[in-house]
Amino acid sequence: QVQLQESGPGLVRPSQTLALTCTVSGGSISSGEYYWSWIRQSPGKGLEWLGYIYYTGNTRYNPSLRNRISMSVDTSKNQFSLKVSSVTAADTAVYYCASLEEGYYGSAYWGQGTLVTVSS
Amino acid sequence: DIQMTQSPSSLSASVGDRVTITCRASQNIASYLNWYQQKPGKAPKLLINVASSLQSGVPSRFSGSESETDFTLTISSLHPDDFATYYCQQSHTTPYTFGQGTKLEIK
Repeated sequence: QVQLQESGPGLVRPSQTLALTCTVSGGSISSGEYYWSWIRQSPGKGLEWLGYIYYTGNTRYNPSLRNRISMSVDTSKNQFSLKVSSVTAADTAVYYCASLEEGYYGSAYWGQGTLVTVSS
Repeated sequence: DIQMTQSPSSLSASVGDRVTITCRASQNIASYLNWYQQKPGKAPKLLINVASSLQSGVPSRFSGSESETDFTLTISSLHPDDFATYYCQQSHTTPYTFGQGTKLEIK
């Protein structure tokens, strides 16, 4: 069974860069079966899909983040990462990493989520 | 972006009730529609993908259906464990968008 675990700072200063890592266990990030996604949820709000990365490094991002978002993958560590630059209070949210089967068939495996607060 | 309009936004029901939640896509998404259940403080749980395919381990009281751009999640007989927030998500065209959610509460 695939398991995912987010890690990274819980507090980020405004205008700085949010950086999170998701460690995958129970399966290889390079298996090709999954695309690896980031989704966030602002306090008391709904879910926002941020984007995904394939093990080859191919990415798709949500245009709503304009040029502030980037993702990377480290197959040797079975990890993938998210960066969001120039953060504001609007980026305060619980950030989830999740699998995405074949890129289309929903996210069956999720991390437990990590709260990132943007505040000075 | 494809807009997913989910209704109702909240719903009060009793154990044993049959409930239906609907999601309308702003354009054709074929059958690339997923349903999730989320409980407070927890990650969403995938219940159904490709509109009607029940995930392994999900009780058979949950079902999904589609009619063109309209999608429905039905719970045939509510159990106490079903009171949660439900989200639809289209995975046809990026950005993959979610509905606003339906909070299912105990009457």
